[in-house]
Amino acid sequence: GAVVSQHPSRVICKSGTSVKIECRSLDFQATTMFWYRQFPKQSLMLMATSNEGSKATYEQGVEKDKFLINHASLTLSTLTVTSAHPEDSSFYICSAIRGQGLSGANVLTFGAGSRLTVL
Amino acid sequence: AQSVTQLGSHVSVSEGALVLLRCNYSSSVPPYLFWYVQYPNQGLQLLLKYTTGATLVKGINGFEAEFKKSETSFHLTKPSAHMSDAAEYFCAVSEAGGKLIFGQGTELSVKP
Repeated sequence: GAVVSQHPSRVICKSGTSVKIECRSLDFQATTMFWYRQFPKQSLMLMATSNEGSKATYEQGVEKDKFLINHASLTLSTLTVTSAHPEDSSFYICSAIRGQGLSGANVLTFGAGSRLTVL
Repeated sequence: AQSVTQLGSHVSVSEGALVLLRCNYSSSVPPYLFWYVQYPNQGLQLLLKYTTGATLVKGINGFEAEFKKSETSFHLTKPSAHMSDAAEYFCAVSEAGGKLIFGQGTELSVKP
């Protein structure tokens, strides 16, 4: 089956530093990946859509200069939280669509998430 | 725009009892609907989905959901709860382009 791996699963950093989170599709090619953010006891909020070989599409209210997304290959998308601050502490989850179809019927495969704590 | 509302942020049932988690959606087009489960500090696992065809959808772990267009609902049920079912459950609707819009989530607790 489709597997998506996220790394690191947990990261603690100091305020002002940058943190990179990787999302890899292990056994399939993913033209499109999505990045979600989840606060404790809350739902997942879509941050951006990551497209291989092109710029990411950010949701309204998400700072593109703060949350840099790169999708350089069909199996890897990265999210970099730049100049992190305590309010950026959250659970970040990526997901990927298997294949190139973008039908709403496609099933997303989710990574296990990355918990970021900014001190 | 599409949206999902889950009624009840927390549901508690006894082991062996019926599980019912409610989900209502809003969509201007025929919806694609999903239920996902999330265990603590983990990603999401697909339980089941509705795209077209049969309105009663069976998923993993004994869960099923019924799409009712007239009620704009997609409630999740399981006849007999197990302790291992305790988790967070999310209902979602798919938008064009494949992205999912999630409901607020329902935390299911199972009492022995």
